[in-house]
Amino acid sequence: QKEVEQDPGPLSVPEGAIVSLNCTYSNSAFQYFMWYRQYSRKGPELLMYTYSSGNKEDGRFTAQVDKSSKYISLFIRDSQPSDSATYLCAMSGFGNQGGKLIFGQGTELSVKP
Amino acid sequence: KAGVTQTPRYLIKTRGQQVTLSCSPISGHRSVSWYQQTPGQGLQFLFEYFSETQRNKGNFPGRFSGRQFSNSRSEMNVSTLELGDSALYLCASTSGQIHQETQYFGPGTRLLVL
Repeated sequence: QKEVEQDPGPLSVPEGAIVSLNCTYSNSAFQYFMWYRQYSRKGPELLMYTYSSGNKEDGRFTAQVDKSSKYISLFIRDSQPSDSATYLCAMSGFGNQGGKLIFGQGTELSVKP
Repeated sequence: KAGVTQTPRYLIKTRGQQVTLSCSPISGHRSVSWYQQTPGQGLQFLFEYFSETQRNKGNFPGRFSGRQFSNSRSEMNVSTLELGDSALYLCASTSGQIHQETQYFGPGTRLLVL
């Protein structure tokens, strides 16, 4: 079993829809949680960064972390065609983890006009 | 501030050859991490360098190696290339401070092994 599980999709939604993306994990040592967006043939771009549990909002994006359930989510409101990309969750532990991020498989999202 | 840069962007090699990829981190960042991305395995951590020292290493064979220079630029080397090494190789930089785990990625080097 992988440390981080993420449904690869693909997920197709109409423009304006609310999108929910999720990851589950098994390692209770994870303290840092990130969401990256990756367009085709590009490097991942950091979207959201959360330390420990709670919610964080940035414009149309909301990240939620529930450490008790080992579950993280990313919500995209009023989705746009430009949001079409692969969304990767990533996480890491405390202390000297040496920069090691553990990624989910990525969810491919398509927002149709 | 300029982002993470990687060179070259594309490479074609044949089995058995070796390859060296380069990464320049964001100015002021002292930590560089390398990842391999493939359709089947996703993004997998290779290793991380901080102040010229390898601080952490993933589960890759010894054919994969790296180093970091005093200006924080990093190189990774793959010797005796195999077909399965075809992938997008990404580097990411961060300040390397404890609790500061936000990593910023470069565009990647796409390696094709024939």
